[in-house]
Amino acid sequence: ILNVEQSPQSLHVQEGDSTNFTCSFPSSNFYALHWYRWETAKSPEALFVMTLNGDEKKKGRISATLNTKEGYSYLYIKGSQPEDSATYLCAFSPNNAGNMLTFGGGTRLMVKP
Amino acid sequence: DSGVTQTPKHLITATGQRVTLRCSPRSGDLSVYWYQQSLDQGLQFLIQYYNGEERAKGNILERFSAQQFPDLHSELNLSSLELGDSALYFCASSAAGMNTEAFFGQGTRLTVV
Repeated sequence: ILNVEQSPQSLHVQEGDSTNFTCSFPSSNFYALHWYRWETAKSPEALFVMTLNGDEKKKGRISATLNTKEGYSYLYIKGSQPEDSATYLCAFSPNNAGNMLTFGGGTRLMVKP
Repeated sequence: DSGVTQTPKHLITATGQRVTLRCSPRSGDLSVYWYQQSLDQGLQFLIQYYNGEERAKGNILERFSAQQFPDLHSELNLSSLELGDSALYFCASSAAGMNTEAFFGQGTRLTVV
């Protein structure tokens, strides 16, 4: 059983705050780490796919880093906006399982105006 | 719009019945994945098909089966339904090759009464 943990489970921030959350995954047998954004009543939407240790990806105000040796990834949001309110999911893909993704429980972010 | 179409959006059925959920992947995507999200649980991987063949299997019950047709659409068949099968079922698709992001459909909400 693959263990993918996300923390915190939920987070309330004020508009303009910067925030970050963590995804922990097995450090052995690593293949890829995905981040998804899931708004209420919509479907999960891919943010990043990361494969290399030390990888950093950025999309607008959102960025992510990856440490495969210690088994963690951080997602950062700079200057949070109310429209950033969503659940952020990470998903781990081991190298012997095709593109099968094991998802963490998610971090639910609420940004207050 | 992710380009992945799932039908129906909602389904209410009685225990013991059988239902079929349908998924049309994004144009050109060869891989289709099925995920289940039950109450208070994260997204659980069920099964993956690639170009018509089963590629990976997760925690899929024996009462559940899936297939991918030559036109690449996929169906998930759930039989002898139990109350605990009530969940949101997502289909996702991705392009050929590893480390590609998955595009999710809107999901089918199954309620077993």
